[in-house]
Amino acid sequence: DAGVTQSPTHLIKTRGQQVTLRCSPISGHKSVSWYQQVLGQGPQFIFQYYEKEERGRGNFPDRFSARQFPNYSSELNVNALLLGDSALYLCASSPTPNSNQPQHFGDGTRLSIL
Amino acid sequence: AQRVTQPEKLLSVFKGAPVELKCNYSYSGSPELFWYVQYSRQRLQLLLRHISRESIKGFTADLNKGETSFHLKKPFAQEEDSAMYYCALNTGANSKLTFGKGITLSVRP
Repeated sequence: DAGVTQSPTHLIKTRGQQVTLRCSPISGHKSVSWYQQVLGQGPQFIFQYYEKEERGRGNFPDRFSARQFPNYSSELNVNALLLGDSALYLCASSPTPNSNQPQHFGDGTRLSIL
Repeated sequence: AQRVTQPEKLLSVFKGAPVELKCNYSYSGSPELFWYVQYSRQRLQLLLRHISRESIKGFTADLNKGETSFHLKKPFAQEEDSAMYYCALNTGANSKLTFGKGITLSVRP
């Protein structure tokens, strides 16, 4: 099992641009969550999707959006990029959204804004 | 709102010494607590969770609701324990995790 896979691994954008990050969950996992991790901090929750519906949203502006596809893969979109959006973006999957189930993380996408 | 506090950024010990990584949380209900670990050049992975009450790689953590703490302990540290450790809290009926800032554990030979 390849685990959670994310693409691309690295990305460089300039302010004002838009970006799309992709995530494929572990086979059989229907819940996908996105986290932002800035340098020196722990991951911060952005979104959770289950069965293609948004089930949770963190304290992020509307420039951040996401969706989940019928095969349970997910995309995170960020519009009008700011310097402060530079971070590692992590995707995590679990079989269901139940709080007692551990989440499995991908390697992340390193996003740099110039 | 829920919060997780890991008061130290770095803990450096010699091999064989005891280790205690501190974690305090803020939540009035019944929390689910986890420790995640990230070894060098590896992805973030679950180390243990309080509902399992198990020992993983010699590490244990006990939930103390009175002190709102979930400290991670190991009696004899090994060099391979060197890593970044994050305490995380789940309070809802979903997978949202609230993480602490993390602590770097360095075990010297």
